[in-house]
Amino acid sequence: NAGVTQTPKFRVLKTGQSMTLLCAQDMNHEYMYWYRQDPGMGLRLIHYSVGEGTTAKGEVPDGYNVSRLKKQNFLLGLESAAPSQTSVYFCASRGNRVQSSYNSPLHFGNGTRLTVT
Amino acid sequence: AQRVTQPEKLLSVFKGAPVELKCNYSYSGSPELFWYVQYSRQRLQLLLRHISRESIKGFTADLNKGETSFHLKKPFAQEEDSAMYYCALSGSARQLTFGSGTQLTVLP
Repeated sequence: NAGVTQTPKFRVLKTGQSMTLLCAQDMNHEYMYWYRQDPGMGLRLIHYSVGEGTTAKGEVPDGYNVSRLKKQNFLLGLESAAPSQTSVYFCASRGNRVQSSYNSPLHFGNGTRLTVT
Repeated sequence: AQRVTQPEKLLSVFKGAPVELKCNYSYSGSPELFWYVQYSRQRLQLLLRHISRESIKGFTADLNKGETSFHLKKPFAQEEDSAMYYCALSGSARQLTFGSGTQLTVLP
């Protein structure tokens, strides 16, 4: 049981390049989330998904796209990277058919450190 | 809208001293509140949650609906408690909102 796995762990992009961050969970969780962590600003929600085939915008969605084609995977895409997207990105998941999603805790990945030059 | 405020970005205490990390929230309904911790070079993990009313690693947190607060407390801080602490609010089954975090340093 690996929990939540994020790839890659590190990445350096040039302005205008694109990339996809992959998040995979093996806990049969319904809800998945992408956050970015910046100094002094805590964790801010980018996009989230309440189930396979569904996505929704969070607090800071601009410049990002997501897809949830399979229940276990949640992909975060940057189509044209900007220096403002330099951050640490965390994926998280929670809630299955047994647990209530309302008060179940989040399980986090190890994070992806992205630098855009 | 739901909002979480952690007024202290940095907090330093000496080993053995009491510690309190403040968290205030804004939400019109009945929220579920959590404390998450991130130790150096580790992933974020759940420390405790309001609904469980438990004590983890000596930490406790009481929900005060009148003051809309969920402060984290420990009577005697240990050096291994040094970490980043985040307060979080779940106001619906969908979104979890985090505060900006408090970096706790326990001095020897």
